[in-house]
Amino acid sequence: NAGVTQTPKFQVLKTGQSMTLQCAQDMNHEYMSWYRQDPGMGLRLIHYSVGAGITDQGEVPNGYNVSRSTTEDFPLRLLSAAPSQTSVYFCASKTQGGRNTIYFGEGSWLTVV
Amino acid sequence: AQSVTQPDIHITVSEGASLELRCNYSYGATPYLFWYVQSPGQGLQLLLKYFSGDTLVQGIKGFEAEFKRSQSSFNLRKPSVHWSDAAEYFCAVGARAGGTSYGKLTFGQGTILTVHP
Repeated sequence: NAGVTQTPKFQVLKTGQSMTLQCAQDMNHEYMSWYRQDPGMGLRLIHYSVGAGITDQGEVPNGYNVSRSTTEDFPLRLLSAAPSQTSVYFCASKTQGGRNTIYFGEGSWLTVV
Repeated sequence: AQSVTQPDIHITVSEGASLELRCNYSYGATPYLFWYVQSPGQGLQLLLKYFSGDTLVQGIKGFEAEFKRSQSSFNLRKPSVHWSDAAEYFCAVGARAGGTSYGKLTFGQGTILTVHP
C-alpha cells in the first residue's frame, strides 16, 4: 500500500519562484492536511481539507494556497517563495472519526535561497 | 486555543537507563493525546495515543505514557533505552470535537534524545 505519497522529497527554489508540493493518498480518506516543521517549533498546521472542494486555514496559512479537486490529491502551492518558507513539509490524511489514525507522508524538504 | 509544551529541548541518557520525556498541554477539556517519533531525515511514526479510559497507555517499541489530568501532562517513559531510540520525539494534542476528527493536531516543540553507549 502506498499510503500518503509526497513529491518531491527535496527541492531548492530561488526567492520569488513558485512551486507545488504534491500529496496523494490511496486510502480514500476524507481529511487531508499540510504541516510545516521548523527547528524548535514542532509541526504547525498550514491548511486542511475535510473533503473534495472544501479547504480551510490552519495556524500558518500565509504564503500558501491549497485546493482539493479530488479525494486523493491535496497539493500545496507556494506562489512566490520566500526564505522564511524553508522548511520540511508533511502531508497527512485520515478518515472520519476522531479516534482514527492520522497517516503522515515522509516529508518534503524545501530550501528557498 | 490549545497548546503543547515540551520543556526539554534536548535530553541525553546512557544506553540502558530509564527515560522520561515531559509533555504539558493547555486545553479546556481532555484532549486526544499523541506521541510521535521522528528519526533524522524520516517522517513521523506514531508511538502511542490516549483517547479515554486507562490513563497508562502502552505503545510500540516498549514506550508508555501516563495521562495525568490534574497536571495536564502526558509524559512518555521507557524503562531501558536502546541506542536505536535516539531520535526526536513530539507530543501532540487534538480537540475531541472537530479538531482531531479533521486531522488537526497541535504539536509540541519536540525533544531530541541522544543515547550514549
